[in-house]
Amino acid sequence: EVQLVESGGGLVKPGRSLRLSCTASGFTFANYVMNWFRQAPGKGLEWVGFIRFKAYGGTTEYAASVKGRFTISRDDSKSIAYLQMNSLKSEDTAVYYCARGSGYYFWGQGTMVTVSS
Amino acid sequence: EIVMTQSPATLSVSPGERATLSCRASQSVSSNLAWYQQKPGQAPRLLIYGASTWASGIPARFSGSGSGTEFTLTISSLQSEDFAVYYCQQYNDWPRTFGQGTKVEI
Repeated sequence: EVQLVESGGGLVKPGRSLRLSCTASGFTFANYVMNWFRQAPGKGLEWVGFIRFKAYGGTTEYAASVKGRFTISRDDSKSIAYLQMNSLKSEDTAVYYCARGSGYYFWGQGTMVTVSS
Repeated sequence: EIVMTQSPATLSVSPGERATLSCRASQSVSSNLAWYQQKPGQAPRLLIYGASTWASGIPARFSGSGSGTEFTLTISSLQSEDFAVYYCQQYNDWPRTFGQGTKVEI
């Protein structure tokens, strides 16, 4: 069974950092593009960024709203994708989801990040 | 950025009735369109991709149609478990963008 489990969310002060993890199972993690999305409370869905698999250089792309502050990485040996979030702002408060795919997506259950003083 | 617009925002339907949800793209996305279902406190669940192809395990009462800029998700006979928010998403271009959602309520 394909599973994605996010962890690492919590309450953090503005300007601080947080790292989220996405642990995958049930499929060959190294062969898939991994993505992060977010959903602010009561709002819609927003793409955050993705990381390609190693055969395509493992390169990353980001939404304009997080570029320069967020970094996605992956550890294929552990089947984990990471989202490093720096210089957090109140508007980054959201449920963060990791998702597998390049166009349409299979999602994890999400982890809540609250940025507040 | 491609803007996705869903209508209506809320759809009130009785169990057993048919529901028709619409999604419009600001420019052509060909058939690169997916539909998701999201229940409170849960992750989005992929229903349809390629505008009309069922994802694994999705009941046949869900069907998708359309291409270019106009798309429709039809639920032929609503079951109690179908009351949720539905999102369309284009994957023809970056960034991937979503509609604002249609809430299907009793």
